[in-house]
This record gives sequence, C-alpha cells and structure tokens, in this order.
Amino acid sequence: RKEVEQDPGPFNVPEGATVAFNCTYSNSASQSFFWYRQDCRKEPKLLMSVYSSGNEDGRFTAQLNRASQYISLLIRDSKLSDSATYLCAVFSGGYNKLIFGAGTRLAVHP
Amino acid sequence: DGGITQSPKYLFRKEGQNVTLSCEQNLNHDAMYWYRQDPGQGLRLIYYSQIVNDFQKGDIAEGYSVSREKKESFPLTVTSAQKNPTAFYLCASYGRSNEKLFFGSGTQLSVL
Repeated sequence: RKEVEQDPGPFNVPEGATVAFNCTYSNSASQSFFWYRQDCRKEPKLLMSVYSSGNEDGRFTAQLNRASQYISLLIRDSKLSDSATYLCAVFSGGYNKLIFGAGTRLAVHP
Repeated sequence: DGGITQSPKYLFRKEGQNVTLSCEQNLNHDAMYWYRQDPGQGLRLIYYSQIVNDFQKGDIAEGYSVSREKKESFPLTVTSAQKNPTAFYLCASYGRSNEKLFFGSGTQLSVL
C-alpha cells in the first residue's frame, strides 16, 4: 500500500461547480499535512496547510480526519484558472520524510 | 530575496555518464529534499537531508547519490547505474519555523 494515495482523476467540472478531493495516508503518526497545486511542468506551489480543526482560504477548504486517516480539499465556485493537478503531502516518519500523493487532475470547463 | 535555485534547467546525459544537478537555498532551512517526477505522475522521494553531513534514502534512491557538506547546498548525482533517468527533478527545502516547503523550478533531465 502506498503511504499517500489520491484518486488521479481527471475531474472534469463546469465553471462554478464545487469539487472535492480526498487523500489517504497510511502512517497514523503523521503530523503535518499540505495541499499543493502544480501546473504542467512547473514546480508545485503551496495551496494551504491542513490543520486539525480544518481551515479555509477563500474558495478553498481543507479538512483533516485523523480517525479515518485522510485529508480533503474542497473547491467552491470553480474557475477556469483552477485547472491544475492537486497534490497532497504528508510528513511521515521520525526524520520528517515528506511524501506526496500522485496528484489529482482537475479540468474546469466553460 | 530568499529562495531555492536549481540548475541547470535542462540537462542531457549520455549513456554511462554521471551528471550532477545543483540545488542551493539561502532560506537557512535545515531540511532539503530531492524528488523525481515522471510525466503524469506524482513526486517520488529520492533522498532527503535534515542536517549538514546527514541524509536519508527515500523511496527510489537506487542509481542516485547526494551530499550535504553545506547547509545551503544539496547536489544530486544521477549515476550511470540509473537506467531510466529521464524525468523532471525537483529540489525542495523546508522551514520548521513557518512550516513551508519551498521548491526550486526544477531540472528536466533527458538521455541522449
């Protein structure tokens, strides 16, 4: 089983839609969680950290479910510019080993 | 401005040749990472380092080597033992104080 797993998608949604991605992790001792956005052949950019109580940044909401070992990202009112690959990342292990999921592709169409 | 710099942007390797990818950061970060990304795939961890003169193998370390002689620098050597080196390589550094991971702009390595 991979340490961090994501549905690869693609998720094809119309503008204005709400879309949600999940990411599961296997190490119950994991402490820190992140969502990144990556455009084609570019470096990933931090979208948001994920806190235990959940957090929101504009149209984006991140949540952590420790019991079921997953994090989620909700995007409301999707824009064309949201089209990208969304990667989750988890710190796993005592040496701060940062593991990424394979990414979920989102395509927003007019 | 502080940041993380990777070079070169594009690199070509001949069969049997070792090549080294550079990664430098001036963010005073202790932790640095190397990832490999294949087309349509996520980031796979090659090596990581938490402090100077110490580094750990990631999930796909075979055929690669690293050094961490200075805090600012974490070069990656792709050796001739890596039979399928064509990929996009990303270096990153992590600051515990602000819990942010910064990426370099990446190096595309291709085999001639």
